[in-house]
Amino acid sequence: NAGVTQTPKFQVLKTGQSMTLQCAQDMNHEYMSWYRQDPGMGLRLIHYSVGAGITDQGEVPNGYNVSRSTTEDFPLRLLSAAPSQTSVYFCASTSGGNTGELFFGEGSRLTVL
Amino acid sequence: AQSVTQPDIHITVSEGASLELRCNYSYGATPYLFWYVQSPGQGLQLLLKYFSGDTLVQGIKGFEAEFKRSQSSFNLRKPSVHWSDAAEYFCAVALMEYGNKLVFGAGTILRVKS
Repeated sequence: NAGVTQTPKFQVLKTGQSMTLQCAQDMNHEYMSWYRQDPGMGLRLIHYSVGAGITDQGEVPNGYNVSRSTTEDFPLRLLSAAPSQTSVYFCASTSGGNTGELFFGEGSRLTVL
Repeated sequence: AQSVTQPDIHITVSEGASLELRCNYSYGATPYLFWYVQSPGQGLQLLLKYFSGDTLVQGIKGFEAEFKRSQSSFNLRKPSVHWSDAAEYFCAVALMEYGNKLVFGAGTILRVKS
């Protein structure tokens, strides 16, 4: 079972470049989310989606865009990368809102120079 | 504001010793509480969760946690730690008024001495 798949696993960008982190899940989960993990700060929610066509902002949405055209996919876009966006990004999904178990991808490590 | 505090950044225990990781939350309503574990280079895996009912919940890998409303705590325990338990542990609370999104604590890194 694939579960939650994130690509790429590693990426280096220059300041000002744009890129998309891909996230796909094959569990037919309605709820998907993106977190960033920084040392000493735990995981912070960037954006989330409760279903296709519906997205909302989390705690730290600035500099990121998302869309949810299908149930399976939830890409995260960095429009103009900044060094402050250097982080490890995790995509997660769950069924039935967020009171159930979150299933995490393996993470994408992004470095912005 | 809603928050989760894990007071210990690092904890070191000897293999076979007992373990308790602390978690305190700040949330007005009845919380949904979780403990996740992250091994190096991996995503997070759910250890256990509390929604309601019995305040002592059992999880995977021999872990348990106790919800204490009076202390706003949800501490994680294990009677005998194994070397494979070395990882980072995160406590989290679900905010029902924000689509039940999870707010995570900063994490506690567990080191196990042999």
